[in-house]
Amino acid sequence: QKEVEQDPGPLSVPEGAIVSLNCTYSNSAFQYFMWYRQYSRKGPELLMYTYSSGNKEDGRFTAQVDKSSKYISLFIRDSQPSDSATYLCAMTILNRDDKIIFGKGTRLHILP
Amino acid sequence: EAQVTQNPRYLITVTGKKLTVTCSQNMNHEYMSWYRQDPGLGLRQIYYSMNVEVTDKGDVPEGYKVSRKEKRNFPLILESPSPNQTSLYFCASSNLRDRVSGNTIYFGEGSWLTVV
Repeated sequence: QKEVEQDPGPLSVPEGAIVSLNCTYSNSAFQYFMWYRQYSRKGPELLMYTYSSGNKEDGRFTAQVDKSSKYISLFIRDSQPSDSATYLCAMTILNRDDKIIFGKGTRLHILP
Repeated sequence: EAQVTQNPRYLITVTGKKLTVTCSQNMNHEYMSWYRQDPGLGLRQIYYSMNVEVTDKGDVPEGYKVSRKEKRNFPLILESPSPNQTSLYFCASSNLRDRVSGNTIYFGEGSWLTVV
């Protein structure tokens, strides 16, 4: 079983819809959970990060971590065409070889 | 402006011809890292460095070398490139405290490398 699983998409939704992006993971020791956004031909940029379980909100974005289910989500409200990008989840364990495990990314298209 | 700068951005080269991809950051970060990104495989770490003269292998180091002689620079060297090294390469940097949490990890814009 892969450490981090993420549906590659593509996911196409109409503008204004709520988007839900998800990752599952197998290692219960993961502590930090991150979402990166990557536009075409650009490097990933950190969108949000959370430590352990719970929710974190930043504007239209909400990151959710459910450690009991080993499941993390990113919700985008009022989606805009400018949200069209690839979204990568990532997670890590403090002091474990400095290694961040990335999901393979979900391609998201917001249709005007 | 905080930046990680990679060069070249695009390169087509031939098998066996040594090449270097440069990476420079202007944030005085201790931690720097190289990744490659391939369709279906995601981001995979090649090498990382915790400080000057300190480097270590990531998940896919074969065929690559790095050096960290100065804090701001972390070049990736392909001594004898092969077609399976055709990929999109990213350099990243962070301060040591934030490298694991993901906060303030900065990625370069990427270098598209094709080996024919």
